[in-house]
Amino acid sequence: KAGVTQTPRYLIKTRGQQVTLSCSPISGHRSVSWYQQTPGQGLQFLFEYFSETQRNKGNFPGRFSGRQFSNSRSEMNVSTLELGDSALYLCASSPRGVYGYTFGSGTRLTVV
Amino acid sequence: ELKVEQNPLFLSMQEGKNYTIYCNYSTTSDRLYWYRQDPGKSLESLFVLLSNGAVKQEGRLMASLDTKARLSTLHITAAVHDLSATYFCAVEDSWGKLQFGAGTQVVVTP
Repeated sequence: KAGVTQTPRYLIKTRGQQVTLSCSPISGHRSVSWYQQTPGQGLQFLFEYFSETQRNKGNFPGRFSGRQFSNSRSEMNVSTLELGDSALYLCASSPRGVYGYTFGSGTRLTVV
Repeated sequence: ELKVEQNPLFLSMQEGKNYTIYCNYSTTSDRLYWYRQDPGKSLESLFVLLSNGAVKQEGRLMASLDTKARLSTLHITAAVHDLSATYFCAVEDSWGKLQFGAGTQVVVTP
């Protein structure tokens, strides 16, 4: 059974650019959540998508957005990148309504 | 707002000894998770605790949940070097969102 796949694994971007990260959940899982991990703030919830609808959103500026496709794959986009956006971005896949979250390997974003 | 506090934040362990990590949370929840993270890696699921009094064990790790006290513990028995990692507890809120503790960095030395 394939796990949660995140691409790319590493990214280096310049301030002001935008970036798109991708997450493919475990087959059959319809919920995808995104988390940001930084040394200073720890693990923080970004948003959750279920059946192509955003169900939950964390306290992040509007520069952070996401979407989910009909095959449950999800993308998150960060526009006008800032140095503080440098982080490990993790997505978690869940059947929703049933316990258990499986995390992908993450995308390490560095903004220079 | 759900808050999750973990302590200690850093734990230096001697091989062969026993230790406990504590996870307190502020509002009612029946779902608590423990994860392990190695440097530069993702989160590996260790335990899911779903009800008051739940106890799960895997190898040298044992986790328990007291929903009345809003407390979970992760007990490490006879620490070994392979257990060096950062351990996170996470509490699921009523919206299905995970609120993580700050993590406990564990270093096991001979």
